Amino acid sequence: NAGVTQTPKFQVLKTGQSMTLQCAQDMNHNSMYWYRQDPGMGLRLIYYSASEGTTDKGEVPNGYNVSRLNKREFSLRLESAAPSQTSVYFCASTAGTSGRGELFFGEGSRLTVL
Amino acid sequence: QKEVEQDPGPLSVPEGAIVSLNCTYSNSAFQYFMWYRQYSRKGPELLMYTYSSGNKEDGRFTAQVDKSSKYISLFIRDSQPSDSATYLCAMCQSGGSNYKLTFGKGTLLTVNP
Repeated sequence: NAGVTQTPKFQVLKTGQSMTLQCAQDMNHNSMYWYRQDPGMGLRLIYYSASEGTTDKGEVPNGYNVSRLNKREFSLRLESAAPSQTSVYFCASTAGTSGRGELFFGEGSRLTVL
Repeated sequence: QKEVEQDPGPLSVPEGAIVSLNCTYSNSAFQYFMWYRQYSRKGPELLMYTYSSGNKEDGRFTAQVDKSSKYISLFIRDSQPSDSATYLCAMCQSGGSNYKLTFGKGTLLTVNP
């Protein structure tokens, strides 16, 4: 059972380049999330999708766009990468109905912007 | 004041010690409280979940919530080297399809053999 799969796992970009981080879950979850994790800052929510067809901004959305392609897939796009976007990015999903708080996370995508 | 405060550590203990990890919060609307464990270079995974106040025990782990003090704790008994990880507290206001978790910054724990 794969759970939440993120690609790529590692990426190095130059300032101004664009890229898309892909995320797919096979648990039939309704809600999906993108977080970034930085030393001393913890996990911060970038965007989330409560259900297929909807997306909303989180705490730090500037410089990012998202697409909820279907129920399984939620992508994060950096249109013009900046060094401040160097981070570890985590995709997560949850059934979203119980409030139990169990987010299932992927293993992360480590992005360096030079 | 940040919504959730967590001492980042690092915390280093000998094998077999009792470990206490803590978070404080300011938003009295938080109802659901969680602890996530994150191994190095991995994603977080849910360890413990509690609703409202009280204690919850699962094996060597005990989660406590004191809503009157806005304080939550995670206790690890008989700590093992395999418990070495970063522990993140998390909380949210309500369930449903639109909830968002607020995370603490995490405490790095090392259990030495």
